[in-house]
Amino acid sequence: AQKVTQAQTEISVVEKEDVTLDCVYETRDTTYYLFWYKQPPSGELVFLIRRNSFDEQNEISGRYSWNFQKSTSSFNFTITASQVVDSAVYFCALSVLTGGGNKLTFGTGTQLKVEL
Amino acid sequence: EAGVAQSPRYKIIEKRQSVAFWCNPISGHATLYWYQQILGQGPKLLIQFQNNGVVDDSQLPKDRFSAERLKGVDSTLKIQPAKLEDSAVYLCASRSIGGRTGEKLFFGSGTQLSVL
Repeated sequence: AQKVTQAQTEISVVEKEDVTLDCVYETRDTTYYLFWYKQPPSGELVFLIRRNSFDEQNEISGRYSWNFQKSTSSFNFTITASQVVDSAVYFCALSVLTGGGNKLTFGTGTQLKVEL
Repeated sequence: EAGVAQSPRYKIIEKRQSVAFWCNPISGHATLYWYQQILGQGPKLLIQFQNNGVVDDSQLPKDRFSAERLKGVDSTLKIQPAKLEDSAVYLCASRSIGGRTGEKLFFGSGTQLSVL
């Protein structure tokens, strides 16, 4: 069975601070994908990044960066110089291939509040 | 490109009543998902369709929930009769290619259901 743990329920920071959202996953599959989604107050889940299990190269995209470490089963997400617009719930998710389709298992989410 | 459309946006019903939600995926997307997101939790998969066939409905409470995607395009999720614990946001998502684990999902804004 797959499991995603986001231990941080809520994080509050002041604008321009850096913030890291933690994600730990569990799976017995050797081939899997990891995702981060953002859910603003509007409710729609917005895709941020995807990483497959064979690619441990970390990535930076603007103010966003991701740190994937298979040795610790972690896929952490950092926002540099946070902004008020970054306030949202962030979900980490794990995808494995099951029965011909893929099943996306989500963590419980981290509520990020960025204040002025 | 039009996104995933869902209606209604909000629904309030009394327990034991019936309710239906509608989803129109992105044009050409073969795979469609319904997720249930209870307040404070991550989305949980209810059912996955590949065209008009069910791929995974292992977490669908089949005694009260049903879903169909008759023509392989739009889909309807029904609850009959509703219980208080069904209060949640119901998210529809679609994906362009079936069977590829890493393809990202596109989500609609969801239907927020309140059962009184």
